[in-house]
This record gives sequence, structure tokens and C-alpha cells, in this order.
Amino acid sequence: AQKITQTQPGMFVQEKEAVTLDCTYDTSDPSYGLFWYKQPSSGEMIFLIYQGSYDQQNATEGRYSLNFQKARKSANLVISASQLGDSAMYFCAMRLNSGGSNYKLTFGKGTLLTVNP
Amino acid sequence: GAVVSQHPSRVICKSGTSVKIECRSLDFQATTMFWYRQFPKQSLMLMATSNEGSKATYEQGVEKDKFLINHASLTLSTLTVTSAHPEDSSFYICSARDPRSNQPQHFGDGTRLSIL
Repeated sequence: AQKITQTQPGMFVQEKEAVTLDCTYDTSDPSYGLFWYKQPSSGEMIFLIYQGSYDQQNATEGRYSLNFQKARKSANLVISASQLGDSAMYFCAMRLNSGGSNYKLTFGKGTLLTVNP
Repeated sequence: GAVVSQHPSRVICKSGTSVKIECRSLDFQATTMFWYRQFPKQSLMLMATSNEGSKATYEQGVEKDKFLINHASLTLSTLTVTSAHPEDSSFYICSARDPRSNQPQHFGDGTRLSIL
């Protein structure tokens, strides 16, 4: 069975600095996708970035980049130039691409990021 | 704009009543939708996978008779919490898979359910 581990319950970062949120995963399937979502206090899930298991390059989306180290099974999220609005819960998730998985997401426990002014 | 619409956003009702939550995909046909439950400061827990035209697949430990899921059309799935009790109070979120691409699931904005 697949598993996502986020070892940082909470993180603090100073505004305008970069922060890395850790995520490790475990699966024996060769084809999978890794996702990061942001959940503000209002509750909605905001998709940030995606990395496919066969992608050769690390994914980037604006201030977000994913540090994908396949051999280590890690998919850390890097947020550059932190903003006050980045304060939220961040979830790492994995989706197996095999048909039998029904494409469901497995989530980590999340990291609460607080950006200080 | 939102591609998945979830209603209502908040429900407060008395113990013993049944509550229906709707999840609609707005600009794509979702053959598969998912229902999650989230307790405060915890992660999303998958309750069930809803497939259009067939019975939902429930995760272990989720009561099928308590949480009724219907996916009657390609754009609508409903979750009915039957005879709700205070312990059913939670944040419920739906999501829909867009089969057109490798894109992630699109999430609704969630429903905060409070049972008095």
C-alpha cells in the first residue's frame, strides 16, 4: 500500500525567505503522480504543483518548485520569496496511475506553514 | 473559476436529521468522484470513491448505510449523511477526476457539517 509522510507538523518562515516542506513517499508501483495542495483556514484545497514519476525534470510553478529525488522517494516543496498569504496547511499527496487504484489520492498529515512579517 | 461546485458550504442541524451534500463538476464529465472527511487540524481521509452508474466503493471502516453516495450523472455526486449525530460533525470535501488529462483531482470548497 502507498504511504505519504510529512514529518514537519509546523514550520515558520520569515517573509521573503524561501522554505522547504518535506515529503517522502512509499510505493512499489512504477507509475505515480505526486501533488502538493495548499489549504487555507477557509478550507478549500488549492492545487499547487504536480510531478510525474517519469518526469525527468523537477516541476516548477511560479514561486513553487518540487525537489523530486526518486531514489530517495522524496518530493519536497520549495516556496521561494514567502508571502504572508502563504500561511496555510500544505498537503503532499500521491496518486497511483494503475487502473486498479481508481486514481485516488493518498494524503500526508500536512504541514502548517506560518509566514512571519 | 471553480470547476467543482459543492453545496451547501455550511450546515447546522439537529441530531437525527439527514443531510445531503452535492458535488458538481462544472465543465467536464467526471466519471469518478471522491468524498473525503477532515477533522480539525488533520489530513483528508478518503471515505469513498463514487463511480457514475455504479455503486460507490467505500474505504474500510466507513459505514455504507450511514454515508449514502449516489452518482447518478456524469456531473453530479451526492453524499447523504443519514440520521446524523454530533460525532458526524466534520468537514466534508468532494473532488472529481478530470479524465481528459493527467491533471489532479479538482476539489470542491467543502461543507462544514455541525450536528447539534
